[in-house]
Amino acid sequence: DTEVTQTPKHLVMGMTNKKSLKCEQHMGHRAMYWYKQKAKKPPELMFVYSYEKLSINESVPSRFSPECPNSSLLNLHLHALQPEDSALYLCASSQWTGAISNYGYTFGSGTRLTVV
Amino acid sequence: DQQVKQNSPSLSVQEGRISILNCDYTNSMFDYFLWYKKYPAEGPTFLISISSIKDKNEDGRFTVFLNKSAKHLSLHIVPSQPGDSAVYFCAASEGETSGSRLTFGEGTQLTVNP
Repeated sequence: DTEVTQTPKHLVMGMTNKKSLKCEQHMGHRAMYWYKQKAKKPPELMFVYSYEKLSINESVPSRFSPECPNSSLLNLHLHALQPEDSALYLCASSQWTGAISNYGYTFGSGTRLTVV
Repeated sequence: DQQVKQNSPSLSVQEGRISILNCDYTNSMFDYFLWYKKYPAEGPTFLISISSIKDKNEDGRFTVFLNKSAKHLSLHIVPSQPGDSAVYFCAASEGETSGSRLTFGEGTQLTVNP
């Protein structure tokens, strides 16, 4: 299994809703990432988990709450989002945070989030 | 402040010809560079990378060139194929051991015409 699986693929939520994005990988990777990509913009790093511990938070608003229950799973909990948070949310993994050189990241297909 | 720049939003080439995608960076601390390819409705796919200790890395039809003094890298695809049509992102990292943070350029849409 060489994939990163993200669910759901599409999500529409209201500004008062609570929802979660899920990401799963079974490649034994120990680093997992959340990126946000707006239309016609590059992916922007949100969070990095290394060995199930949060190692980087790029000053992301608290309405986004990441969780890494185990080495294969990464969640992003969403609450009280704004319409400007509508974007493609990408999950990625790598063997560990120092392994970019050999393999790059493996990205999932993303969750297209629309906040109404 | 855009530290990685891809100044051409789009590029169109004929099948069989060479595609050259360019990328410039401003952060002198970057010393590892990657190219990703992205189809619509899919996540980016890792293509090829290069360390700053090299000036060229080749993998099949894909070659990446790095000019450190000019802070410029390029991706050459030869021969180009219609299936190569996608958005290509250049990305940079501050060192192989700090590879947890990638900074991406804005992407170049490559269209290869049959």
